[in-house]
Amino acid sequence: NAGVTQTPKFRVLKTGQSMTLLCAQDMNHEYMYWYRQDPGMGLRLIHYSVGEGTTAKGEVPDGYNVSRLKKQNFLLGLESAAPSQTSVYFCASSPTSAGEHTDTQYFGPGTRLTVL
Amino acid sequence: AQSVTQLDSHVSVSEGTPVLLRCNYSSSYSPSLFWYVQHPNKGLQLLLKYTSAATLVKGINGFEAEFKKSETSFHLTKPSAHMSDAAEYFCVVYNAGNMLTFGGGTRLMVKP
Repeated sequence: NAGVTQTPKFRVLKTGQSMTLLCAQDMNHEYMYWYRQDPGMGLRLIHYSVGEGTTAKGEVPDGYNVSRLKKQNFLLGLESAAPSQTSVYFCASSPTSAGEHTDTQYFGPGTRLTVL
Repeated sequence: AQSVTQLDSHVSVSEGTPVLLRCNYSSSYSPSLFWYVQHPNKGLQLLLKYTSAATLVKGINGFEAEFKKSETSFHLTKPSAHMSDAAEYFCVVYNAGNMLTFGGGTRLMVKP
């Protein structure tokens, strides 16, 4: 199993450009999440999904959109990138709400995004 | 909503000496708590988790944490640091809906 994978690993954008980050998981997890990591602030939840076709806002959703068209994929979009969105982005997944390990999240390796 | 506070942003120890990374939590009920580790340029890896079965939790790589309700603490310890332990550590609390709230992180440096 590859676990949680993210593409791309690095990206540099100019202000106003758009891009999509792809997260894929092969563990058949229902829940998927997008976080951003900034120095001294830990990880903050951007958006999440509790199943195929569903999405919900997290703590810092402004400037981002997401889609979960397939259970194994969770896309994060930036329609008009801003320098404040320079960050490291992590995707995570977790199983459904039944069973012993349901609250453990599994993380991808991250995408480092720079907006100039 | 529940929250966690990591009391030190940086901790420096010598190889072979004990490690103590401090975390306090705020919760209106008995929380699920985690410690995650992030090595440089890597994703996050679960070290250990507390879910009320036992107050002393053992994790991977010789780490353990003790849940103390009276002190609202969940400190991470290791008896003897290795160079490979140098990383950033996050204390995390579980919130309803399978959502996690992260502390600000503690960067552990290990000197030879």
